[in-house]
Amino acid sequence: QVQLVQSGAEVKRPGASVKVSCKTSGYNLMTYGISWVRQAPGQRLEWMGWISGYNGHTNYAQKLEGRVILTTDTSTRTFYMELRSLTSDDTAMYYCARADYDFWTGFTPFDFWGQGSLVTVSS
Amino acid sequence: QSVLTQSPSVSAAPGQKVTISCSGSTSNIGNNDVSWYQQLPGTVPRLLIYDNNKRPSGIPARFSGSKSGTSATLAITGLQTGDEADYYCGTWSDSFWVFGGGTKLTVL
Repeated sequence: QVQLVQSGAEVKRPGASVKVSCKTSGYNLMTYGISWVRQAPGQRLEWMGWISGYNGHTNYAQKLEGRVILTTDTSTRTFYMELRSLTSDDTAMYYCARADYDFWTGFTPFDFWGQGSLVTVSS
Repeated sequence: QSVLTQSPSVSAAPGQKVTISCSGSTSNIGNNDVSWYQQLPGTVPRLLIYDNNKRPSGIPARFSGSKSGTSATLAITGLQTGDEADYYCGTWSDSFWVFGGGTKLTVL
C-alpha cells in the first residue's frame, strides 16, 4: 500500500534552516511527484511547492521561492523539503502529499499524505 | 488570503444536507478540475472528491461534488457528527496549486 512517512518534530531558532524528509513506498516513483503543504496553527492549508519523482523538476509557490528547496533521493525513495531563514511565521505542521504535475494537464489530486512534521521556530 | 473563496463556517443538524461553496476565477476553477479535502480535528487532510465530482475508494456516496463556471460545490447529505471538520477546495493555476481558505462544518 502507498505510504508516506515523514521525519519527526523540529525546534529551530529564528534565522536557522530546517530539512524535513518524506520516505515513500508502495507505488511507482517515476509516475508521481510530491507536493509539500504547510499549515500554521489554526490556519488554512498552504501549498509550498512540488517536485517530480521522475526528473526532479520543481515548482515553487511564489511566496516562498528563494527560501524553500525541494530535493529527492530516488535511491531511497525519499523526498526532502528545506526551508531557510526561518521566522516565527514558519511555525507550522508540514505535510508531504503524493501528486503529479504536467505542464499541459496540471496537477493530479493529492491522494496520499504523510503524517505531518511539526516545525516550531522559537528563540 | 486565498484566491479561492470559501465561507468560513457552515452548520446544520444531523441528518440534514449542507453545501460548501468554493469561488474562483477563469484562471483556476474555470479551466481546471477541483478537488476537495476533509480535515477532521487534529488529523491529516484526506482527499474527499477529485476531478470535480469523483469519489476515491472508501468515500461514502453522501459526499458529492460539482462545478459550474468559476465555482465548485461540495454537498454532504445525511450529516453525521463525525463529519465535523474543516473542508478545503483546491485546484491549480499557471503551474501553481491553490487551496481555498477552508470551511468549518459544525454538526449541531
